Amino acid sequence: EADIYQTPRYLVIGTGKKITLECSQTMGHDKMYWYQQDPGMELHLIHYSYGVNSTEKGDLSSESTVSRIRTEHFPLTLESARPSHTSQYLCASSDVRRVSFAFGSGTRLTVV
Amino acid sequence: AQSVTQLGSHVSVSEGALVLLRCNYSSSVPPYLFWYVQYPNQGLQLLLKYTSAATLVKGINGFEAEFKKSETSFHLTKPSAHMSDAAEYFCAVSGTNFGNEKLTFGTGTRLTIIP
Repeated sequence: EADIYQTPRYLVIGTGKKITLECSQTMGHDKMYWYQQDPGMELHLIHYSYGVNSTEKGDLSSESTVSRIRTEHFPLTLESARPSHTSQYLCASSDVRRVSFAFGSGTRLTVV
Repeated sequence: AQSVTQLGSHVSVSEGALVLLRCNYSSSVPPYLFWYVQYPNQGLQLLLKYTSAATLVKGINGFEAEFKKSETSFHLTKPSAHMSDAAEYFCAVSGTNFGNEKLTFGTGTRLTIIP
């Protein structure tokens, strides 16, 4: 069973607010990822990290930012939320050999 | 760069019938391949993965997939569909070397089971 946790599970917030989506894993995985998924659509990689102090932009451009100060923690921040940011955000992690590639339950964000 | 194509955004099968979900990959070298299932309002659950060992991979819930290099395919099958199999299924690919580990997903196939 995957040990990767995302909070909050659901978030409804007003335009212009700053938000941080939390993601933590207890498996000691060095690699972590953020995917964005619109309802009924595919997943797009928006950020990834290969270790502490390492972050990279993904394939889909995003106004969000991420940080990786601790191995187990990979938060995503939106400085000023907009309705176009409404989506589901999925966090994932993997080990060096990708024997294990696990996903969190996701955060469903609605910006009104 | 790797990519996957899932043929058929919607597939409907009768309960007890064979399930076949198609996935073709594009990669300059044999990649790692994955199938994930997503139930409504849930995250993704790994069904099975191919990491260059046996070409026939068995996963959870009775699913299996066969890696066919000559056809660049990794189709997902299950001999007998259950109502609980109704969900969205994603095929995904990643590279095998350092720096190329990101998962790239297909567009998904929504599986409907007809009672």
